[in-house]
Amino acid sequence: AQSVAQPEDQVNVAEGNPLTVKCTYSVSGNPYLFWYVQYPNRGLQFLLKYITGDNLVKGSYGFEAEFNKSQTSFHLKKPSALVSDSALYFCAVRQPYTDKLIFGTGTRLQVFP
Amino acid sequence: NAGVTQTPKFRVLKTGQSMTLLCAQDMNHEYMYWYRQDPGMGLRLIHYSVGEGTTAKGEVPDGYNVSRLKKQNFLLGLESAAPSQTSVYFCASSSTSGGFYNEQFFGPGTRLTVL
Repeated sequence: AQSVAQPEDQVNVAEGNPLTVKCTYSVSGNPYLFWYVQYPNRGLQFLLKYITGDNLVKGSYGFEAEFNKSQTSFHLKKPSALVSDSALYFCAVRQPYTDKLIFGTGTRLQVFP
Repeated sequence: NAGVTQTPKFRVLKTGQSMTLLCAQDMNHEYMYWYRQDPGMGLRLIHYSVGEGTTAKGEVPDGYNVSRLKKQNFLLGLESAAPSQTSVYFCASSSTSGGFYNEQFFGPGTRLTVL
């Protein structure tokens, strides 16, 4: 069965430090992977996606993600965190041959000044 | 271009009452979805539609019905609300141009409480 795991409920990082939000997946066939961010009382906003090609994907707001096929991971990264990055982050994988997404349970990122 | 909008933003129901949540998108997207978001469970797909006049069940469809009479609108109905349906409901849409690679666009959500 297809699934996505976000092993950390919360990640705390100091402003200016690099951040990583972890995601691992299990899917048959080629994975199509997505990251979304949710600010308080808002809907989800698309950050970036991996379909094929370069394993390092760049997205909105300075975020990037690294696809690692051997480790079945798609970790979200940013070189220098901002307080305004504090939000809930969701990893998702496309169910093969459909347009449906399977979401992880989310990771709350807290960036401290 | 408003994107995806949802009506209402908040609603409180009593057990057994019915209501309809409205989702509208102005991006001419073919696919539309209804999700519910509960703490610690991420987003779970309730129902979805691949085009006007079509609907299909998602992961947690029980207790909900949907209709898509117009391409731009997707309605979610609760015929007899239960406290277990207390949640935040999100609508999303996506385009099929280029294949199944496109991101979904989300509405702002509807916070529903069933007493």
